[in-house]
Amino acid sequence: AQSVTQLGSHVSVSEGALVLLRCNYSSSVPPYLFWYVQYPNQGLQLLLKYTSAATLVKGINGFEAEFKKSETSFHLTKPSAHMSDAAEYFCAVSTGGATNKLIFGTGTLLAVQP
Amino acid sequence: DAGVIQSPRHEVTEMGQEVTLRCKPISGHNSLFWYRQTMMRGLELLIYFNNNVPIDDSGMPEDRFSAKMPNASFSTLKIQPSEPRDSAVYFCASSLSTGSHEQFFGPGTRLTVL
Repeated sequence: AQSVTQLGSHVSVSEGALVLLRCNYSSSVPPYLFWYVQYPNQGLQLLLKYTSAATLVKGINGFEAEFKKSETSFHLTKPSAHMSDAAEYFCAVSTGGATNKLIFGTGTLLAVQP
Repeated sequence: DAGVIQSPRHEVTEMGQEVTLRCKPISGHNSLFWYRQTMMRGLELLIYFNNNVPIDDSGMPEDRFSAKMPNASFSTLKIQPSEPRDSAVYFCASSLSTGSHEQFFGPGTRLTVL
């Protein structure tokens, strides 16, 4: 069965600092992995996805994530935080098979301090 | 494309009343998902459909909840009778059942049951 663990339900960084949001996954087959962002009072929006092409995936708003099979990780990073990055971030895994559900992590709320 | 469309965006009702939430998926998508999001329980998958057929309704909380998808472009989630603990944001998402299974989310319906 697939699962996702997001370490840290709340992360706070200063504006301009590195953003690192952690995600570890468990999957019995090669996974498809996603990061979604949810701004206040909005739906979830796709930031980026890994679909077995390049292991370093670049997304919108300067975010990127690296798939590391040996560590079963897919951490999200951004070199320099902006105030507008304050939101909740969800990691998700799909097997891409017949059962086309996404398994979501519990989310990480990112706060950006001025 | 207009994306996933949900209506109403906000619903306030009294305990015991019937509530119907509506969703129009992205044209061409053949999978549809209903989620519920609360502070206490996070993001929960309630039910999902492939080609208008319910595949997994194990997340539906109880018999008061029902969902239908009469055609490829419309789905409803009904709560009858509603209770204050049903207050939440309900999201609809759609995807293709092949490929990476990337899901596209609607803006959500904020339900308040008094």
